[in-house]
Parts: sequence; C-alpha cells; structure tokens
Amino acid sequence: NAGVTQTPKFQVLKTGQSMTLQCAQDMNHEYMSWYRQDPGMGLRLIHYSVGAGITDQGEVPNGYNVSRSTTEDFPLRLLSAAPSQTSVYFCASRGRITDTQYFGPGTRLTVL
Amino acid sequence: GDSVTQMEGPVTLSEEAFLTINCTYTATGYPSLFWYVQYPGEGLQLLLKATKADDKGSNKGFEATYRKETTSFHLEKGSVQVSDSAVYFCALSDRGGDDKIIFGKGTRLHILP
Repeated sequence: NAGVTQTPKFQVLKTGQSMTLQCAQDMNHEYMSWYRQDPGMGLRLIHYSVGAGITDQGEVPNGYNVSRSTTEDFPLRLLSAAPSQTSVYFCASRGRITDTQYFGPGTRLTVL
Repeated sequence: GDSVTQMEGPVTLSEEAFLTINCTYTATGYPSLFWYVQYPGEGLQLLLKATKADDKGSNKGFEATYRKETTSFHLEKGSVQVSDSAVYFCALSDRGGDDKIIFGKGTRLHILP
C-alpha cells in the first residue's frame, strides 16, 4: 500500500498563477482533508470531503477549490496564488469508522 | 466550538529526562483524543490515541491518559531519546459534534545528547 501520496513535493509559483496540488489514497477511505501548516499556527483545515461528490469548507477555505470525483483522489486548486498561501500543505484520509487519520508527506509551496 | 490547547514550545530536554507535554480540550460531544508526531521533513503520523474517559494510550514509551474531569490528555515519557526530537500535536475527533479532527498548534521538542 502506498497510503496517502501527494505531488509535487516542492513548488514555486508567481503571484497570480494557478496550480493544482494532487492527493491520492489507496485505502478506500471515505474522508479526505486538506490542511495547511504555518509556523506557530499548527494545522488549519482548508477543505474536506466525506465521500465522492461531497465537499465542504474548513477553517481557511478562501482562495482554494476542491472536488472529489472519485474515492481515491482529492485535488486542491489554487485559483490565483498569493504570497499568503506560502505554506506546507498536507492531505489526509481516514475511514468512516476509524478515527485514525493518515497523512501524506506534504507539499511545500512558495508564492513569490 | 471544539478546540485543543497545548503547551507552547520549544521544549528542550537532555537525553533520559522525563517529558510532559500538556494538552487540554473543549468539546461538545464525546471526543476521541490523539497525539500525532511529525519528524523533520515528514507528514504527521499517529503516536497514540484514547477513545473514552480513563483510557490510556501508549506507544514507543509514550503514554497519555484521557481525563474527562480535567478535560486533559497530557503526553508523558519516562526517558526521552535524541530520536524523539520532533513536533507533537494533540488532537480530538468529536463524533458527537461535527466529526472533524481538530489539532492543537504543536509543541516542538528538542532532545540534547
């Protein structure tokens, strides 16, 4: 099992550019989430999904879009990158019954 | 809403010292409680968990007891090692509430040889 995978590992964007962070899991988990991690702020929930076709906003959703067309994939789209979106982004998944959340290795994004 | 508060770091200890990282929570339902660990350059991974009051979670020499009366879930280890240097996150999952996982801000731990 690969678990939760994220691509790319590193990315540098210019202000105004758009891009998609990819996330996939092979554990057939219903729940998937995107977090950003900033120094002194811990992990903040951006968007989450409780199943294919269902998404909802988390604590800091502005500037980000998500979709969940399959159980396996949960991409995060930055519509128009801003320096405030410089962060490390983590994708996570868990099953409907278990409480344990599995994290991907992260994507370090820098917006210039 | 639900929240988790943990002690601020960084915490610096010598090898073989006793470790306590405090964590308290507020929740509307009946939460499960977790400690996650993040080693440098990696994602978070589950260290231990407890699902009901008075449960004790343990793993790799770390322990934490779910104390409903004090709404706490403090992380302890009797003798830390240099390899324990990492960031530790306390978290809760409130299935009686909105079922999201809420994280504390993390505590960075440095162990000196």
